[in-house]
Amino acid sequence: GDSVTQMEGPVTLSEEAFLTINCTYTATGYPSLFWYVQYPGEGLQLLLKATKADDKGSNKGFEATYRKETTSFHLEKGSVQVSDSAVYFCALSDSTDSWGKLQFGAGTQVVVTP
Amino acid sequence: EAQVTQNPRYLITVTGKKLTVTCSQNMNHEYMSWYRQDPGLGLRQIYYSMNVEVTDKGDVPEGYKVSRKEKRNFPLILESPSPNQTSLYFCASSSGGHQPQHFGDGTRLSIL
Repeated sequence: GDSVTQMEGPVTLSEEAFLTINCTYTATGYPSLFWYVQYPGEGLQLLLKATKADDKGSNKGFEATYRKETTSFHLEKGSVQVSDSAVYFCALSDSTDSWGKLQFGAGTQVVVTP
Repeated sequence: EAQVTQNPRYLITVTGKKLTVTCSQNMNHEYMSWYRQDPGLGLRQIYYSMNVEVTDKGDVPEGYKVSRKEKRNFPLILESPSPNQTSLYFCASSSGGHQPQHFGDGTRLSIL
């Protein structure tokens, strides 16, 4: 079955540091890939997405490139802020699933200190 | 404002006492879903619905029921809650398969 594996946290960084969160996946079909972010006490919000190989999703300074050859979708940001402290979830939606169910990774907590 | 609204946000109750968590969306979305979030497991789908009166099981449906009588509402029902259903629950909706999902703010349930 489909699965998503992402690096365990928490990841603790200083403000302005470079952030990378690794995400790899297995899928039966041709998945769409997503990063969602969960701020404390809130629901998940879509951060970015990519629907086919070599697509790059970007938003709020975050980027992730859909790499089919390495089945990866790593999230990066060049200079983090305290406001980026949150839990980040990598997820996929497989083309073989007509509903488009999201399969989530376990989540990675990011803590940015001033 | 486009939103998914869940109620209650927090609930502490006892084993066996039936409860319902409501979910409503104002985006005219056809697709709705319930997830539970547990530490180290991410979010797992409980039930989903592709339209009014069309529902199906997700990955962890045991102990839960849902209904979809109206397009905007998708309540989650726990007929006889047990402590292993203590979790953080999220409702989500989307405009179609493989489209980004919009999430509610979550309902934290504690079953004693």
